[in-house]
Amino acid sequence: GAVVSQHPSWVICKSGTSVKIECRSLDFQATTMFWYRQFPKQSLMLMATSNEGSKATYEQGVEKDKFLINHASLTLSTLTVTSAHPEDSSFYICSARDPGLWSYEQYFGPGTRLTVT
Amino acid sequence: GENVEQHPSTLSVQEGDSAVIKCTYSDSASNYFPWYKQELGKRPQLIIDIRSNVGEKKDQRIAVTLNKTAKHFSLHITETQPEDSAVYFCAATLNRDDKIIFGKGTRLHILP
Repeated sequence: GAVVSQHPSWVICKSGTSVKIECRSLDFQATTMFWYRQFPKQSLMLMATSNEGSKATYEQGVEKDKFLINHASLTLSTLTVTSAHPEDSSFYICSARDPGLWSYEQYFGPGTRLTVT
Repeated sequence: GENVEQHPSTLSVQEGDSAVIKCTYSDSASNYFPWYKQELGKRPQLIIDIRSNVGEKKDQRIAVTLNKTAKHFSLHITETQPEDSAVYFCAATLNRDDKIIFGKGTRLHILP
């Protein structure tokens, strides 16, 4: 199946700093990628839809100026958490579908655990 | 937008017995319903999915049923084993390139 990677797998940053998370499709090109956030013992909550070459579409309640998404190529989307605070500590997961496949299956990255101190 | 409700939030089942998790969705236009298993700290893993043009699908010990009229779908795990212990999420989406909306999850405990 298709492979999606994320980097870093975990990161610790100080409050007020920014951190960038990368999501890559390794063996397919993804015009659309999705970013999710998952707090402990909760479900995956969709944050935004990342579209190659255009602005991301954010879900209601997600601050677009705080969570900057850039989808500059068909294999890379980045999520930058700006001015991070402890409440942004979470598990961030991206996903993408391989448009070359007929199936509806979305492939998830391994996730990035962000801890803001 | 789409809303997916999932029940129960926690389920304990004796090893060897069956487990059933139920979900409902709100958008009648949704046509793809995947089920995921997630272990602690890992990515969600697709275990079975169903399209809206099918009422039931089975893969070994796992089956999914879909009632489009009632907007219900369910996951059935038979002959449960200790390795089935995990969190299970149902989800729904409108089409292949659309976002996936997750239910709140069910923590399944398989008791020895």
